[in-house]
Amino acid sequence: QQQVKQSPQSLIVQKGGIPIINCAYENTAFDYFPWYQQFPGKGPALLIAIRPDVSEKKEGRFTISFNKSAKQFSLHIMDSQPGDSATYFCAARRGRNTPLVFGKGTRLSVIA
Amino acid sequence: KAGVTQTPRYLIKTRGQQVTLSCSPISGHRSVSWYQQTPGQGLQFLFEYFSETQRNKGNFPGRFSGRQFSNSRSEMNVSTLELGDSALYLCASSPLGLEAFFGQGTRLTVV
Repeated sequence: QQQVKQSPQSLIVQKGGIPIINCAYENTAFDYFPWYQQFPGKGPALLIAIRPDVSEKKEGRFTISFNKSAKQFSLHIMDSQPGDSATYFCAARRGRNTPLVFGKGTRLSVIA
Repeated sequence: KAGVTQTPRYLIKTRGQQVTLSCSPISGHRSVSWYQQTPGQGLQFLFEYFSETQRNKGNFPGRFSGRQFSNSRSEMNVSTLELGDSALYLCASSPLGLEAFFGQGTRLTVV
């Protein structure tokens, strides 16, 4: 049973485009939703995270949109660059000191 | 501030052997978690240690074990290796149990 469902599996966008990656969850006890970026041969790097009391959070070119009623959250990358080509993972946690539950990942390719 | 350090970066082991992986967390972080990453299953939680005690455990067989030392460094051990244990093993440290910062991982290949 997959607790966090991520889509799409892969995504190709032109440089300057706005890729959108979506995640849906079932467990309403989740209250922390981070996104990670992973390059080949590297560990996941924390990009941005949101708590359910806000609907949107921006950090640089990365934005998380959160819809509590739909139990969905998404990552938007503004003005995408070839250097953003990586695999992105959404995750969720039901409070401090509990395990992170990850989506399956989205492989993003930004082409010039 | 140094990041999470995992050693070794790469390992090749034979079926039936055992292996020990090491993780040094970010200075001041007392929580250390381990995850297994495979192409088929993605990132799966193994266990978490805090103050030398296992606080959470994932759904892995008893062949997978870990420990944490008084300086917060952690090790995980896999005994009686199987081909299916080939994976990237990731360690993450956390300052307050919410944000998690990952190391580069140890790539284990079982032949």
